[in-house]
Amino acid sequence: AAGVIQSPRHLIKEKRETATLKCYPIPRHDTVYWYQQGPGQDPQFLISFYEKMQSDKGSIPDRFSAQQFSDYHSELNMSSLELGDSALYFCASSFRGFYGYTFGSGTRLTVV
Amino acid sequence: AQTVTQSQPEMSVQEAETVTLSCTYDTSESDYYLFWYKQPPSRQMILVIRQEAYKQQNATENRFSVNFQKAAKSFSLKISDSQLGDAAMYFCAYRRASQGGSEKLVFGKGTKLTVNP
Repeated sequence: AAGVIQSPRHLIKEKRETATLKCYPIPRHDTVYWYQQGPGQDPQFLISFYEKMQSDKGSIPDRFSAQQFSDYHSELNMSSLELGDSALYFCASSFRGFYGYTFGSGTRLTVV
Repeated sequence: AQTVTQSQPEMSVQEAETVTLSCTYDTSESDYYLFWYKQPPSRQMILVIRQEAYKQQNATENRFSVNFQKAAKSFSLKISDSQLGDAAMYFCAYRRASQGGSEKLVFGKGTKLTVNP
């Protein structure tokens, strides 16, 4: 079965650089979520999109932005990167959330 | 705001034995969903089991079962016949039910489960 695809799997950036993370949800899923998981921490909700419209926003820094495109894939753009942005970034998708959320394998971002 | 509490940062169990992981949550909603996710060292988030709040029957998935106590706002996970592959971080998560279906998951802090051979 198709899963949630995230790219890249690993990313190393320097401070103050920009990073773009991509997420391709499961076909026919209508909602995409982005989560940030720091080392040894639980996932923290960043932002979600329902039918290509932003539906909810969590503790996402102003330096971050995201959008969902017509083909339902989503991108998380992160600018002016800081050391504290180093984390695992998960994308998840769902169909109405009824059957749980399917997570991608994550993008491990390291800021040096 | 909804909160999820996992009071056991770490647990250990002998292979083939049974272990129960605790989770409590706080919500004023009457309709919601609860989940247990497993995160092995690979860091992949894997859905273990889900429970709809309107269902009185406890969910079961093979060796995994839950004890859902709605009045007590408790949602524990029981793993029977523990296997080495069960070693992972386990997250309890809550989601409010809504018409739109775009509600986010709220996670607990996690319980690290070690399985001893």
